[in-house]
Amino acid sequence: EADIYQTPRYLVIGTGKKITLECSQTMGHDKMYWYQQDPGMELHLIHYSYGVNSTEKGDLSSESTVSRIRTEHFPLTLESARPSHTSQYLCASSEFEGKNTEAFFGQGTRLTVV
Amino acid sequence: GQNIDQPTEMTATEGAIVQINCTYQTSGFNGLFWYQQHAGEAPTFLSYNVLDGLEEKGRFSSFLSRSKGYSYLLLKELQMKDSASYLCALTGFQKLVFGTGTRLLVSP
Repeated sequence: EADIYQTPRYLVIGTGKKITLECSQTMGHDKMYWYQQDPGMELHLIHYSYGVNSTEKGDLSSESTVSRIRTEHFPLTLESARPSHTSQYLCASSEFEGKNTEAFFGQGTRLTVV
Repeated sequence: GQNIDQPTEMTATEGAIVQINCTYQTSGFNGLFWYQQHAGEAPTFLSYNVLDGLEEKGRFSSFLSRSKGYSYLLLKELQMKDSASYLCALTGFQKLVFGTGTRLLVSP
């Protein structure tokens, strides 16, 4: 069973607010990812990390930022939320690249900016 | 960069067999994953191919051909609960990048 958690599950927030989406995993995985997904649409990689103090931007440009100060924690921050940020945000983690290193996903945060 | 394409939608009948294709263009990758995602839920792992050939796992099989830039997921003995999106993903260069996804609808 995957031990990766995202909070909050649902968030409705006003335009201009600063928000942080939390993601924690207890599996000791080095690699962590953030994806953005609109309903019925594809998963877009927006940030990833391959270890503590490493963060990289993904293939989809995003105004969010991430940090990786501890192995188990990979929070995503939006300094000033806008309605265009409304989406589902999924966090995942995996071990090193190789056979059977599947990524485990959290349950996601559904963000609505009004 | 990576370009990973899948058919948008497929329909099939309960008990049938369906093949979902994934074609990709990439400068290199370590392996190819298939995930299942039900509406409103997180993706769950189905299979992983590193070498060319077929990997079988119960009702699900996945095939990879690196020379042809092609993979497929084969679902046998379809059940209603198999109605979901099926996502192909490539891992490499520390990233995990997903394809466009295929929505499968299984009818009675």
